[in-house]
Amino acid sequence: GAVVSQHPSRVICKSGTSVKIECRSLDFQATTMFWYRQFPKKSLMLMATSNEGSKATYEQGVEKDKFLINHASLTLSTLTVTSAHPEDSSFYICSARGPSGRTGELFFGEGSRLTVL
Amino acid sequence: AQKVTQAQTEISVVEKEDVTLDCVYETRDTTYYLFWYKQPPSGELVFLIRRNSFDEQNEISGRYSWNFQKSTSSFNFTITASQVVDSAVYFCALTMGANSKLTFGKGITLSVRP
Repeated sequence: GAVVSQHPSRVICKSGTSVKIECRSLDFQATTMFWYRQFPKKSLMLMATSNEGSKATYEQGVEKDKFLINHASLTLSTLTVTSAHPEDSSFYICSARGPSGRTGELFFGEGSRLTVL
Repeated sequence: AQKVTQAQTEISVVEKEDVTLDCVYETRDTTYYLFWYKQPPSGELVFLIRRNSFDEQNEISGRYSWNFQKSTSSFNFTITASQVVDSAVYFCALTMGANSKLTFGKGITLSVRP
């Protein structure tokens, strides 16, 4: 089946630095990818929809300048957490719409756990 | 607006017991899709099932079965003869259409004890 890979799986950074998380579709082209955030013991919250070649669409309440999303190719979307603070510590998961185009067919990455000290 | 409610937060069972995870959804649309995902301790989300609103047939896949009842807006998930490897967080999710934006429930943490 289709595979989505995230990197890094874990990252620890100092407050004030920026962190980039990559989401790759390994064996298919993904024109649309989604970025979710998950707090401990909480559900997944959709942050933004990433479309190849265009600006990402952010959900209400998500800071565009804080969470920069770039979808420069059909197989790669990146999430950059700028000037990270401890409250940005979370589990970030990306997903890509599957190659069949069937509604709701999504493949999820392994997730990236960000810890900001 | 769409909403998914998983009223159970944590369930603990002994191995070989059957367990049902409840999911109730809200939507005004007549066309929608329901999902169940499993999130083991490692963190990745594993797709379990996708069901559209026009197909109310129950489904069985090995030890897993799903009961879709439009009359009660529920899409419950039953694990028969549970195993320790079933321990995970299980999410029910809902989407309206092709944009594939999923609305997740809060998840149910299932612990299966040996």
